[in-house]
Amino acid sequence: QQQVKQSPQSLIVQKGGISIINCAYENTAFDYFPWYQQFPGKGPALLIAIRPDVSEKKEGRFTISFNKSAKQFSLHIMDSQPGDSATYFCAASNGEAGTALIFGKGTTLSVSS
Amino acid sequence: DAEITQSPRHKITETGRQVTLACHQTWNHNNMFWYRQDLGHGLRLIHYSYGVQDTNKGEVSDGYSVSRSNTEDLPLTLESAASSQTSVYFCASSAAGNTEAFFGQGTRLTVV
Repeated sequence: QQQVKQSPQSLIVQKGGISIINCAYENTAFDYFPWYQQFPGKGPALLIAIRPDVSEKKEGRFTISFNKSAKQFSLHIMDSQPGDSATYFCAASNGEAGTALIFGKGTTLSVSS
Repeated sequence: DAEITQSPRHKITETGRQVTLACHQTWNHNNMFWYRQDLGHGLRLIHYSYGVQDTNKGEVSDGYSVSRSNTEDLPLTLESAASSQTSVYFCASSAAGNTEAFFGQGTRLTVV
């Protein structure tokens, strides 16, 4: 049973466009929803995270939108740049219970110049 | 600066051999995790630990073991390596369950 479902698997966006990656979760006990960015040959690194008490969080060109009732959250990358080309993972955990992060399968983003 | 390091970065081993991958963090984090990354599967949790002497099984723990004798290290052992365990392995650590997890650079393991 896949607890965090991520789509699309791959995404091609033109420079300056908006990249949107979606995730859905099943466990209503999850209370922490981060997005990680991974470049080839590197470990994943935290990009932005949200908790379910807010519906949106913005950091620069990156925004998380969170819909608690639908059990969905998404990453929006505004004004996408070639340097944003990477693999993006959504994840979820139950921070109160201290559970480990459960990751989606990842989305490979290519931003064409 | 605090960091998390994995060694070796690359390893080739033969089927049936015991292999140990090292993970060392200087963040003084209680939580440590091992994930494997495979194309089409993303990052899957193998084992994790919330402190010294604590270990827990993750989603894909069969064939793997860990031990936590101090705060800094969580070595991952493949008891009898199998070709299905060819993968990239990532170690991570965090201060708490809902805080940033820091990942190592990964170990690429090939079982032949």
